[in-house]
Amino acid sequence: EAQVTQNPRYLITVTGKKLTVTCSQNMNHEYMSWYRQDPGLGLRQIYYSMNVEVTDKGDVPEGYKVSRKEKRNFPLILESPSPNQTSLYFCASSLSSGGGEQFFGPGTRLTVL
Amino acid sequence: GQSLEQPSEVTAVEGAIVQINCTYQTSGFYGLSWYQQHDGGAPTFLSYNGLDGLEETGRFSSFLSRSDSYGYLLLQELQMKDSASYFCAVRDAHQAGTALIFGKGTTLSVSS
Repeated sequence: EAQVTQNPRYLITVTGKKLTVTCSQNMNHEYMSWYRQDPGLGLRQIYYSMNVEVTDKGDVPEGYKVSRKEKRNFPLILESPSPNQTSLYFCASSLSSGGGEQFFGPGTRLTVL
Repeated sequence: GQSLEQPSEVTAVEGAIVQINCTYQTSGFYGLSWYQQHDGGAPTFLSYNGLDGLEETGRFSSFLSRSDSYGYLLLQELQMKDSASYFCAVRDAHQAGTALIFGKGTTLSVSS
């Protein structure tokens, strides 16, 4: 089944404790991205990747890191999480960076205390 | 700057027709997409317009006018299950490639 998976789905952590949210897709998509969703603010892009080893900042990259060492994986790293990073996070992938469908993962609900 | 504007809420009754508008302002433009999101769920793709005109997919249609920086999503024969949030999104030119910018979403409530 074609899908985007994220882990963990739910995470409660404390300020300053490094964490990684994994994202994997099995559709051989080139383009992958991370979004955060906060009430009233819609989806905001954190980082995106055009292909392996090619990443760029989205609208809200501060406090986040990403890497794209393999085509299928695009982990999101929070080196020192803070409470303002409490949010719902989505990973997404698409065949290319052009228009068309993005496939979203199920989401990761992160709470930073 | 980059911005997308869409109404925050729309209400309608079953069987009705609803139009959700989206106006955008971006430095580049590579098409307008629409996504649906039910509470607690992931966004799912509805439609994409790369060129001006109307795209129809079942009960849903989407329209784009690039000269007006405007598009809309038309939902016909509304059903209760259409109650959800709807987001317009544009591909914007960016330094290394293209970033996807989303509007803040329109919450559609369908009543019987």
